[in-house]
Amino acid sequence: DVKVTQSSRYLVKRTGEKVFLECVQDMDHENMFWYRQDPGLGLRLIYFSYDVKMKEKGDIPEGYSVSREKKERFSLILESASTNQTSMYLCASSVYLNRDSNYEQYFGPGTRLTVT
Amino acid sequence: AQSVTQLGSHVSVSEGALVLLRCNYSSSVPPYLFWYVQYPNQGLQLLLKYTSAATLVKGINGFEAEFKKSETSFHLTKPSAHMSDAAEYFCAVTKFGNEKLTFGTGTRLTIIP
Repeated sequence: DVKVTQSSRYLVKRTGEKVFLECVQDMDHENMFWYRQDPGLGLRLIYFSYDVKMKEKGDIPEGYSVSREKKERFSLILESASTNQTSMYLCASSVYLNRDSNYEQYFGPGTRLTVT
Repeated sequence: AQSVTQLGSHVSVSEGALVLLRCNYSSSVPPYLFWYVQYPNQGLQLLLKYTSAATLVKGINGFEAEFKKSETSFHLTKPSAHMSDAAEYFCAVTKFGNEKLTFGTGTRLTIIP
């Protein structure tokens, strides 16, 4: 079974703090993703990584950065947390789409971040 | 650009009744389409997917969806709702060669006993 784990289920941080959200997958997937989920807005892609040290901005990258030093680990960084970054953060992983037509993204359980 | 529209942010059905969750997509090329389910306080789990093979796709937990190109739709159905189906459902689209999924805004399904 594919397993995607996230370092925390719940996190409370103060405005201005630097926040690290960690994601680990155990299936040797090339792709990893960070999404933000807000009521009424669905899932929005923050950043995407298609290989170690490679990244691509998603739809809402402002205020976030990412790091992928190892294939299995993808970190989301909030350089200076703000209250409007209070949200549910979901990590996902997948193989390359053109390598496997049986494509799907596998999701972690999510981290609910509250910034006060 | 690709997009999906989910009609109805909240849907309520009685236990044992038909479940119908609507998804319409916009894509200039043949799409890959997905339905994911999210139970409370959990991540997303794949229900089913269409990747250009059979247009009627069967998934887990008795759900199925039909790809209708003429209607640009990929509606999710289940003949008889069960209390355990209460969750949020997301439709998503991509295309061959594009790793990124575009998600709809979600439909919260409530089952009335």
